[in-house]
Order: sequence, then structure tokens, then C-alpha cells
Amino acid sequence: DTTVKQNPRYKLARVGKPVNLICSQTMNHDTMYWYQKKPNQAPKLLLFYYDKILNREADTFEKFQSSRPNNSFCSLYIGSAGLEYSAMYLCASTRGTGGREQYFGPGTRLTVL
Amino acid sequence: GDSVTQTEGQVALSEEDFLTIHCNYSASGYPALFWYVQYPGEGPQFLFRASRDKEKGSSRGFEATYDKGTTSFHLRKASVQESDSAVYYCALGDRGSSGNKLIFGIGTLLSVKP
Repeated sequence: DTTVKQNPRYKLARVGKPVNLICSQTMNHDTMYWYQKKPNQAPKLLLFYYDKILNREADTFEKFQSSRPNNSFCSLYIGSAGLEYSAMYLCASTRGTGGREQYFGPGTRLTVL
Repeated sequence: GDSVTQTEGQVALSEEDFLTIHCNYSASGYPALFWYVQYPGEGPQFLFRASRDKEKGSSRGFEATYDKGTTSFHLRKASVQESDSAVYYCALGDRGSSGNKLIFGIGTLLSVKP
């Protein structure tokens, strides 16, 4: 099974409220990623977990949090949503390093009002 | 920093037409290069990759050749089908960091008419 699951598929949030998105995989992949995709823009890496180590991109460091309670699950947390957070959020996973392909979930579409 | 440029934002073809989607990259060394395809309602799917100069990647009739000289990895297919309609992403693998990061192009929407 090469499926990456994401919940929910659609999320409506109010400005200033927290948002928590969930991703899971059963492939025993050691690395899990979160990307943000906005219209007419390339998917942008926000952060990733390599095993238990969280790596956040410099320009999104303070905007997003994440946790990985076990190998299969990874969450993306926004403490206070702003209108600029409206986007598609894609979760992906892979095994190891060195140019391997990533497996993507279907995404969560977040709309902040 | 490293980057990927896809020239075409949208491509409209008829079935059996020849497809080319241009991808150029900017990076040092020999990064891994990828093509991903995304169908409506799904996440991007790995199509193929190449890791060395002159290496050809291919899958499902699509192919691309790693060209270090022109820093390109153009996607080609000899005869497209309606079912090939999707968004195609070129991506570059950042081998320098742990975690195997991908840097994506903006994507090219391919529409194929029957």
C-alpha cells in the first residue's frame, strides 16, 4: 500500500483560530513533509520530519508547527490562521535520502475566512 | 538558491499530438531531477527521475533526458491521449540536506482534446 492519507480533505477556519491538519502513511517511511500550494505558484516546502527531527524552512519557521507522535502520523498546526494561509496543503513521505521519490496525499484545502 | 523553471503554464493539444513541456533548472552539481503528474482530486504522483548527465528517465510513454550542458529536463511524449490531461511538475532534489527536499516548478496544465 503506497497510500498517504490526509484529513480532513476540506477545512474552513476563521481568522485568528487554530488549525490542525493530519497526515498518515503505513509504508514505514522515515521522512514526512508538508507543502503549501497556492494557485499559480509552485508547491512550497514548509517543513519535514526526518525520523523524529523536525526541520522547518527559514521563511516559514514561525508560522507553522508540527508534531510526529509516531512513524505513521504527522500533523501541521497553525496557531492563529490568517487569510494568507488559505491554500492546498500537501503531505508527502519517503524512505531515506538521496533523490528518492516522494509519495503524496490528496491534500487538504484550507479556506480561512 | 536552487530553482526550477517551467516555461509553459498551459498546453492544449489534440489526441495523438506530440508533447513537449520545457523544464530548466538552476543548481550546483548534479541534482536529481523528477517529473510528477497530478490528476484532479489527487496528489502529485511520481512519474520518473534521472540523476546523471545524459540519463533518460521514462514511464507510461513519457520521457526526459538529463542535460547538464543546457540545465534542462524537458518532458516529451510522442502521442498524447485524453487521459494524459493533468498538471505536470518538474522538480529538483536537494541532495545536500538530510530529508531529501524537493524544489518544484510552477506546473504545466496539459489539456488533451479527443
